[in-house]
Amino acid sequence: SQQGEEDPQALSIQEGENATMNCSYKTSINNLQWYRQNSGRGLVHLILIRSNEREKHSGRLRVTLDTSKKSSSLLITASRAADTASYFCATDGRDDKIIFGKGTRLHILP
Amino acid sequence: SQTIHQWPATLVQPVGSPLSLECTVEGTSNPNLYWYRQAAGRGLQLLFYSVGIGQISSEVPQNLSASRPQDRQFILSSKKLLLSDSGFYLCAWSVLSGYNSPLHFGNGTRLTVT
Repeated sequence: SQQGEEDPQALSIQEGENATMNCSYKTSINNLQWYRQNSGRGLVHLILIRSNEREKHSGRLRVTLDTSKKSSSLLITASRAADTASYFCATDGRDDKIIFGKGTRLHILP
Repeated sequence: SQTIHQWPATLVQPVGSPLSLECTVEGTSNPNLYWYRQAAGRGLQLLFYSVGIGQISSEVPQNLSASRPQDRQFILSSKKLLLSDSGFYLCAWSVLSGYNSPLHFGNGTRLTVT
């Protein structure tokens, strides 16, 4: 089934640095979404980028989408301790379903 | 504003016992409703999907079932739990055109089958 795969699986960076996570998918999509999950909690929607968009910003978040390479990236600038979480990309599958990747675990070091 | 409630937060059940997890949404009508399961350190596996009362799509063959007795109520059940049913269960909703709108998640139920 169509699914996004995040890379890397885990990432540790110093507070204040930028964090970049990547997502690749297999088949054509209508849009791609990024979510954050704090430990033991539900997922929180961060940003949705449509297939005809190349870049989107929301606060310290920047998402890019390259449909020719079937890939997306999530950039978090000036990272903070509160950004420590798992980040998932999600793509639309058949019949309105949304399919998630396995996520990137981001750890911001003080 | 819309809210989603999911309970219980944690549950420990013996193998072979029944299961009932409930999810309710407030502040919206005719939402798409979803049940996902997340194994430790893994992504989310879509279990069930509903576009309306009594309309359930099952994604994975298993001993779990889902029901939607009311517009904003989604229930996940099992008659006899297996060890492999342990995991983190998440309920979510979206507006009707699901793939064009974000999913809104509950805080999940941590199920441990012993």
